Amino acid sequence: EVQLVESGGGLVQPGGSLRLSCAGSGFSLSNYWMHWVRQGPGKGLVWVARVNEHGSRIDYADSVQGRFTISRDIAKNTLYLQMHSLRAEDTAIYYCIKDAFGPTDYWGQGTLVTVSS
Amino acid sequence: QSVLTQPPSASGTPGQRVTISCSGSSSNIENDNAYWYQQLPGTAPKLLIYNNDQRPSGIPDRFSGSKSGTSASLAISGLRSEDEADYYCVGWDGSLSAYVFGTGTKVTVL
Repeated sequence: EVQLVESGGGLVQPGGSLRLSCAGSGFSLSNYWMHWVRQGPGKGLVWVARVNEHGSRIDYADSVQGRFTISRDIAKNTLYLQMHSLRAEDTAIYYCIKDAFGPTDYWGQGTLVTVSS
Repeated sequence: QSVLTQPPSASGTPGQRVTISCSGSSSNIENDNAYWYQQLPGTAPKLLIYNNDQRPSGIPDRFSGSKSGTSASLAISGLRSEDEADYYCVGWDGSLSAYVFGTGTKVTVL
């Protein structure tokens, strides 16, 4: 059974950093594109970043380019999102997704990041 | 500001057919696939349609997708109370090199 468990969210001050983790089970990250999507409180969905199955292709939304880094540890079957220079507008639930937009699309339960002083 | 525009709301009575539009451009919907998600309150989104008109396993055929030019559409036929949710379209934008979600549509079952 496929599972994705996000962790690492919490309260951080503006300008601070946070690293989100997404532990996968029931499949291998090395076989799928993996994505991060976020949703601000009461707002719509926003795509954040993706990495391909080989780790050779990475794309970011303009709003996080240069501040966020997506990475993977295949041995741990875990996806990461390192976030720096956090802003109030980064406050959101962050979801990791296996094979987003594909027939075996699967979302984690999300982890809440709050950027506030 | 999203590059994919959806109506903020749509509604219908049980059994009716509801259609949601997603207006994009030549840099996204017209030249790549459209996808649709359903988000029930307090839950993670669920993929309803991929590659414009394909349903993942387990999605009932009451949900159908189509695309024409720079717009995509999601139709829900035989509307049920459990269809009350937010619906989002999404597509790859080649100019931005990024996926873009639509503004979202809240469907209400009257």
